[in-house]
Amino acid sequence: GAVVSQHPSRVICKSGTSVKIECRSLDFQATTMFWYRQFPKQSLMLMATSNEGSKATYEQGVEKDKFLINHASLTLSTLTVTSAHPEDSSFYICSARDREYEQYFGPGTRLTVT
Amino acid sequence: GQNIDQPTEMTATEGAIVQINCTYQTSGFNGLFWYQQHAGEAPTFLSYNVLDGLEEKGRFSSFLSRSKGYSYLLLKELQMKDSASYLCAVMDSNYQLIWGAGTKLIIKP
Repeated sequence: GAVVSQHPSRVICKSGTSVKIECRSLDFQATTMFWYRQFPKQSLMLMATSNEGSKATYEQGVEKDKFLINHASLTLSTLTVTSAHPEDSSFYICSARDREYEQYFGPGTRLTVT
Repeated sequence: GQNIDQPTEMTATEGAIVQINCTYQTSGFNGLFWYQQHAGEAPTFLSYNVLDGLEEKGRFSSFLSRSKGYSYLLLKELQMKDSASYLCAVMDSNYQLIWGAGTKLIIKP
């Protein structure tokens, strides 16, 4: 089956710094990639949808200047959390959709901001 | 608006059978997915239904009725490792996944 990787799997950073998370589709080309955030004991919350070569579409309430998304190629999307604060601590999950509209999830990145 | 409903939590006994229901109201329908998510991990794909009926895959089966906006996930011969959250998601007319809040399944010995 299709594989999506995410790096890093865990990151701890200090308040005010920026963190970049990479999402790669390893054996297929992803026409669209999605970024989710999940707080403890809550469901997935879609943050943004990105298509290769175009600007990401952000969900209501998600600050696009704080969560920078770059979808540089059909196999790579990055999420940069800028000027991170403790309330940004969460589990960030990306998913990639192939041409058949099937969606595959990465393993997630646990971000802790101290 | 779009809405996916599933129970918040269910408890079942090891070796038994449990059925997790999901009802949905979405703008368009391009299939219904079930995912399993263990605590601290990303969701993993379980099943996909786009036509009415039952899809069986080992101990897990998924049923869909499009006219009723209803699906269920059936887990047989429950094992302790099946303790997880089960997420129902519907792909709408824009091919976007609309997520339910998830059902936390607790398996007791």
